[in-house]
Amino acid sequence: DAGVIQSPRHEVTEMGQEVTLRCKPISGHDYLFWYRQTMMRGLELLIYFNNNVPIDDSGMPEDRFSAKMPNASFSTLKIQPSEPRDSAVYFCASSLSLNRRGLETFFGQGTRLTVV
Amino acid sequence: GESVGLHLPTLSVQEGDNSIINCAYSNSASDYFIWYKQESGKGPQFIIDIRSNMDKRQGQRVTVLLNKTVKHLSLQIAATQPGDSAVYFCAEAPWLSGGSNYKLTFGKGTLLTVNP
Repeated sequence: DAGVIQSPRHEVTEMGQEVTLRCKPISGHDYLFWYRQTMMRGLELLIYFNNNVPIDDSGMPEDRFSAKMPNASFSTLKIQPSEPRDSAVYFCASSLSLNRRGLETFFGQGTRLTVV
Repeated sequence: GESVGLHLPTLSVQEGDNSIINCAYSNSASDYFIWYKQESGKGPQFIIDIRSNMDKRQGQRVTVLLNKTVKHLSLQIAATQPGDSAVYFCAEAPWLSGGSNYKLTFGKGTLLTVNP
């Protein structure tokens, strides 16, 4: 399995522009998570989905952030309009709820977003 | 004003020594804990997990200890190698208590540096 795949790996954009981050979870996993990592705040959970349905979006910082999961193999995190303080590494992760042995969550390589 | 970065606790050890990384958690409802390793430029990688009905769990060269009384978790790495150099995160979740809550909360992380 290729693991969780995120694109792009790096994104540099100007303030005010729309940014879309993409994620392909591990096939068969039914949970998908979006995290943001910064030096200031560490790793923060933004939102997670179960079977393509958003379960908890309490971590989404503002209405400028939105996430969708149109099918089991694809999710997007969109920021519109982007601001310099959105600069961070965004991780997508997935896990399989049926794995009652544990909650092993697999992370992608992340998208490093820089808003200038 | 200028942002203050997250100052990670750091641990520096000699190759071959044992390492102990500590973590304090705050949520009394958490009953499942995971240690993750994050190398530079990569996403967090699962190392080992432990449920709250256990005090100790061993893996390959790693041992996790859980003290629920003081809400403390530790990760012991035996015979530390240069490849162990990374940031280590503990994560907690109120998973086993029901409600299928898969929301992991991550600690701030500890930077482990292994000197050859």
